[in-house]
This record gives sequence, structure tokens and C-alpha cells, in this order.
Amino acid sequence: KAGVTQTPRYLIKTRGQQVTLSCSPISGHRSVSWYQQTPGQGLQFLFEYFSETQRNKGNFPGRFSGRQFSNSRSEMNVSTLELGDSALYLCASSLDVGVRNEQFFGPGTRLTVL
Amino acid sequence: AQKVTQAQTEISVVEKEDVTLDCVYETRDTTYYLFWYKQPPSGELVFLIRRNSFDEQNEISGRYSWNFQKSTSSFNFTITASQVVDSAVYFCALRNTNAGKSTFGDGTTLTVKP
Repeated sequence: KAGVTQTPRYLIKTRGQQVTLSCSPISGHRSVSWYQQTPGQGLQFLFEYFSETQRNKGNFPGRFSGRQFSNSRSEMNVSTLELGDSALYLCASSLDVGVRNEQFFGPGTRLTVL
Repeated sequence: AQKVTQAQTEISVVEKEDVTLDCVYETRDTTYYLFWYKQPPSGELVFLIRRNSFDEQNEISGRYSWNFQKSTSSFNFTITASQVVDSAVYFCALRNTNAGKSTFGDGTTLTVKP
């Protein structure tokens, strides 16, 4: 079974631009969560999607948004990029919602904002 | 609010030494899950173990063992006879009924020297 895939793996943007990151969950998984990892803030929860609906959202500004498609693939978008948005963005998928469901993480997209 | 504390920022050991990574958590929930993940340089978070709040049975899996003590809110992880390939960042995480949202500790960087 293929794991969680994220594209692109690396991205370089300049301040003020916008970016879209993509995540394909493991086949059959319906829940997708996104995390931002930075040296200063560590791993922080961005949002969770299930059945095309956002279930939870972390404490991030409105510049960060996401969506989930009917095939469970998810995208996150960051508009008006700032230097502080440089981070590793990790996507995690799980079979279903429910605390006991294990999350499987993708390799991440490393975003650099210049 | 939930919080996970990994007091050890960096640990360096020589191959074949045993090493214990500490994790202390805070939550008001009675039902929750605790996790350990390993993050090698490639960036992908690798799931190691999951333990629910009602199961304080400690576990050994090969060279890995975990000590969950609810009374002290600790979930420590021990690697026996460490190997160079164990070098990675290790994260402890807590998840409650908001299943998609995991709260991570800041991670412990383990370096195993030959």
C-alpha cells in the first residue's frame, strides 16, 4: 500500500506570493491533518479534514486555508507569504476520525520564503 | 489546554549504551492517547507506539520499551543497546477526542556515536 504522498517536496517562494501544497492520503483513509514544523515553534497543528469538511483548526491566521476533495486528497494554501512561513509542512492521514486512529505522516513539503 | 514537555533537547550516547527519553504531559481529559514518533533526517515522522490512557501496561518491543505512568503523567521511552541508526529526533505526542489534532513535544535529538 502506498504511503502518504506530498507534492512538491521542496518549494522556494518570495514574500507576498501564495503557495498551494498537496497531500494524497493512503488509499482508503478519509481523514487528513496538516502540521507546520519550524525550529522555533516545533510541530503545530494547522487543520484537520474529514469527508471534505474541516473538523478542527489550529491557531493560525486566515492566510492559511485548506480543503479536501471527494477522493480525500487535500490541499493547503498560504497567501501573502511571510518569511516566518518558512517551514516543513507535514500531512498526516488516518482511516477515520476517532482518537484511536493512527496517523501516518508524509515526507513533508519544505517551503522556503525569501 | 494540553501540553507535552520533553525536557531533554539533545542527548548524545555511544553505541550500545541504553538511553531513556523523557516525556511529561498535561491534559484535563480522561480519555487520551499518547504516541512516540521518530523523525529521521529525511523528515517523515515514523510512528513507534501508541498507548491509551486506560492502559498503563508497559511494553517492550525489541530494543524499544515504554514506561507509562499516569500518576506522574509521564510516558518515557527507552532504547536498549543503541545503534547509530537510532540517531533521529524523537517526538512524544498527545491526542484527545479531537482526533486529528495531536499536541507534540519539542522533540529530543538523539545522536548515537559509533
